[in-house]
Amino acid sequence: AQSVTQLDSQVPVFEEAPVELRCNYSSSVSVYLFWYVQYPNQGLQLLLKYLSGSTLVESINGFEAEFNKSQTSFHLRKPSVHISDTAEYFCAVGPGAGSYQLTFGKGTKLSVIP
Amino acid sequence: DAGVTQSPTHLIKTRGQQVTLRCSPKSGHDTVSWYQQALGQGPQFIFQYYEEEERQRGNFPDRFSGHQFPNYSSELNVNALLLGDSALYLCASSSRLEAYEQYFGPGTRLTVT
Repeated sequence: AQSVTQLDSQVPVFEEAPVELRCNYSSSVSVYLFWYVQYPNQGLQLLLKYLSGSTLVESINGFEAEFNKSQTSFHLRKPSVHISDTAEYFCAVGPGAGSYQLTFGKGTKLSVIP
Repeated sequence: DAGVTQSPTHLIKTRGQQVTLRCSPKSGHDTVSWYQQALGQGPQFIFQYYEEEERQRGNFPDRFSGHQFPNYSSELNVNALLLGDSALYLCASSSRLEAYEQYFGPGTRLTVT
């Protein structure tokens, strides 16, 4: 069975400040890890993914996440946030061997304060 | 290149009624998954369709059923609607070559009164 825990339901941060959104996962098989972003009244957009190889993955808009197998974590970071980053962020695990589903955390609402 | 499309955008139904939601996958994709996102929650996997058959099902009752057509589009049907079925229903598509990467549509907001 797979599960995802997002440790913070809401994160307020001032514009141009750094941010970290925390994600821990549980899986009995090799994992694929994802961060999705959801803007108000929209669907999910893939932000970045870890499949294999380098444990540090980056997105085109300045976010990065690091896969830490020993701590079963996949925290999302950005060194300087913008107003436009205000959204809800979901961490997900899977699909894995024998399973085709994504398992999501409950989400973290990032609010960027001007 | 069209992404995943869903219809309708919004829907209001009464308890006990039945509803059908529709999804067209991204061009080149042959697999469709459905997720339910209740308010304030992360998406929950309902089921996945591949080659016109249900390949995997999440923890949802039989009131939730689906179908995939030869052109890979899909429908989600919910019978005997309950108030608790009110949610955003998301469709995601993927290809069998990159099954791990799912692209989501904008969703259908279902309200049951």
